[in-house]
Amino acid sequence: GAGVSQTPSNKVTEKGKYVELRCDPISGHTALYWYRQSLGQGPEFLIYFQGTGAADDSGLPNDRFFAVRPEGSVSTLKIQRTERGDSAVYLCASRDWRLNTGELFFGEGSRLTVL
Amino acid sequence: AQSVTQLDSQVPVFEEAPVELRCNYSSSVSVYLFWYVQYPNQGLQLLLKYLSGSTLVKGINGFEAEFNKSQTSFHLRKPSVHISDTAEYFCAVSDRIAGGGNKLTFGTGTQLKVEL
Repeated sequence: GAGVSQTPSNKVTEKGKYVELRCDPISGHTALYWYRQSLGQGPEFLIYFQGTGAADDSGLPNDRFFAVRPEGSVSTLKIQRTERGDSAVYLCASRDWRLNTGELFFGEGSRLTVL
Repeated sequence: AQSVTQLDSQVPVFEEAPVELRCNYSSSVSVYLFWYVQYPNQGLQLLLKYLSGSTLVKGINGFEAEFNKSQTSFHLRKPSVHISDTAEYFCAVSDRIAGGGNKLTFGTGTQLKVEL
């Protein structure tokens, strides 16, 4: 597809479980971002990849959150020992790094509900 | 570090009336400015952006915004709204540092509700 694809669109899990959220960026976009949007709030930055490496992970809230991008394309956000406070929409975005404009292209998000 | 303030959490307006959504930002470096729109259960869509040049920028769906450096503002306007404009609007800022990642910092959003 032409846009950023995120799966699953909805995930319901129980407190303490492990969750993986997947992002497939726009083809050719080497920069990839994860954001978290809680109810009634704006998106908050979690982590940014340039290629395979995490260039900035300053937004990850704690060590239960981890993200990988092993081949520089698809990325997976991993959340261990989920808590009710992790419930949010997790947004992925990508960018063509050659255009230093900051414009990000967003997916539709993965809505995580922790019971 | 940057921050964005959207003072109005909700803005009700009648159809065909004009609207202004306010955005102020704070940054120690030069920035790019953006407005994104989010329709229910959808991702964020870019409305318009200010990179450089003319301080009045035009975007999709008849929206425009004016960059005011002295007031550190980037207010969004539309002269005549439609029911279909009902959505959440987010102002965002990123730094201009080359190779700096350009991560966006968002405001808390303004819910625009257009009524008949």
